[in-house]
Amino acid sequence: DVKVTQSSRYLVKRTGEKVFLECVQDMDHENMFWYRQDPGLGLRLIYFSYDVKMKEKGDIPEGYSVSREKKERFSLILESASTNQTSMYLCASRFGQSYEQYFGPGTRLTVT
Amino acid sequence: GNSVTQMEGPVTLSEEAFLTINCTYTATGYPSLFWYVQYPGEGLQLLLKATKADDKGSNKGFEATYRKETTSFHLEKGSVQVSDSAVYFCALNRPDRGEYGNKLVFGAGTILRVKS
Repeated sequence: DVKVTQSSRYLVKRTGEKVFLECVQDMDHENMFWYRQDPGLGLRLIYFSYDVKMKEKGDIPEGYSVSREKKERFSLILESASTNQTSMYLCASRFGQSYEQYFGPGTRLTVT
Repeated sequence: GNSVTQMEGPVTLSEEAFLTINCTYTATGYPSLFWYVQYPGEGLQLLLKATKADDKGSNKGFEATYRKETTSFHLEKGSVQVSDSAVYFCALNRPDRGEYGNKLVFGAGTILRVKS
């Protein structure tokens, strides 16, 4: 079974802090994704990566950056957290151009 | 652009009731359509998919038919169980994004609550 793990289930940070969210997948997938999930808005794509050190902006990249130094790990960085970044963050991975994405359990981030 | 519209929830049903969750889409080209489910405390998982018009996706008693003429992909189940309580997301892949296509566009999600 594909497993996607995220470093924290719950996280509370202060405004202005630098925040790192980590995601690891164990199936050698080329593609990895970061989404945020908000009530009434569904999932919105922040960034994705199609290979090590490669990244592409999604629909809402402002205020975020990413890092992919190893194939199995994809990090989301909030350079200076703000209260409007309070949300559920979901990581996903996908093999090649297949349709199915495999999701982690999510990190609920609260910025106070 | 590409978008997905789902019926608003929450939907509350009694066990063994019939379920329909409506989903319509707007897309350029011919997208593939998906239903993902998110159980409490978990990430999303693929429930079913359909890749072309008139295809029917099915899994765990759920089914949905890709209707190009009505741009719809409604989710149905004949008899729901308490264990079906979850959030259901309709999604399409974006066929017009070139080499790194197959990115998903999600609807807002519909909460389903099934009472015993």
